[in-house]
Amino acid sequence: QKEVEQNSGPLSVPEGAIASLNCTYSDRGSQSFFWYRQYSGKSPELIMFIYSNGDKEDGRFTAQLNKASQYVSLLIRDSQPSDSATYLCAVNGDTGRRALTFGSGTRLQVQP
Amino acid sequence: DTEVTQTPKHLVMGMTNKKSLKCEQHMGHRAMYWYKQKAKKPPELMFVYSYEKLSINESVPSRFSPECPNSSLLNLHLHALQPEDSALYLCASSQAPTSTGTQYFGPGTRLLVL
Repeated sequence: QKEVEQNSGPLSVPEGAIASLNCTYSDRGSQSFFWYRQYSGKSPELIMFIYSNGDKEDGRFTAQLNKASQYVSLLIRDSQPSDSATYLCAVNGDTGRRALTFGSGTRLQVQP
Repeated sequence: DTEVTQTPKHLVMGMTNKKSLKCEQHMGHRAMYWYKQKAKKPPELMFVYSYEKLSINESVPSRFSPECPNSSLLNLHLHALQPEDSALYLCASSQAPTSTGTQYFGPGTRLLVL
């Protein structure tokens, strides 16, 4: 079983719609959760981080965390073509490893 | 400022060459990381430095040799690489190697081994 799982996509949404990206993780002791956006050929760029159960909003982005279900999601409201990228879910566990474990990423395509 | 810089941006090397990748941050971060990313795959952790000491080596072949000369600098020395080592090499840093430490990535070095 992969430690962090994401649907590889592509997830295609029309411009202005809400894009919903999902991620599940296996390490129940995981402490912190991150969403990175990566454009083709570029390095990952931090979008959001979340530590506590519930929702965290930052502009058009909302991260949702449910530790009981081991589930974290990212909502992008009013999606724009410039949001088209691969979104990487990353988890920092409680194993003393102190390093990120990444999901395989979901490719988002926003259609104009 | 959350800037991590990496040089060079691109590197082409033969299998007998020795080269080095450089990473720098001036955010006062005390944890620095090397990741390797192949096309269409997520970043894979290679090394973690915590307070200038190597704390994690993810069973990386000895042809990759990390070095942390001071708290702002991280190098990756390359020797006798194989074509399959061609990838994007990413450096990242965080305030401390805690479970809540947010990692910021540099732009990466795209390496091609011929």
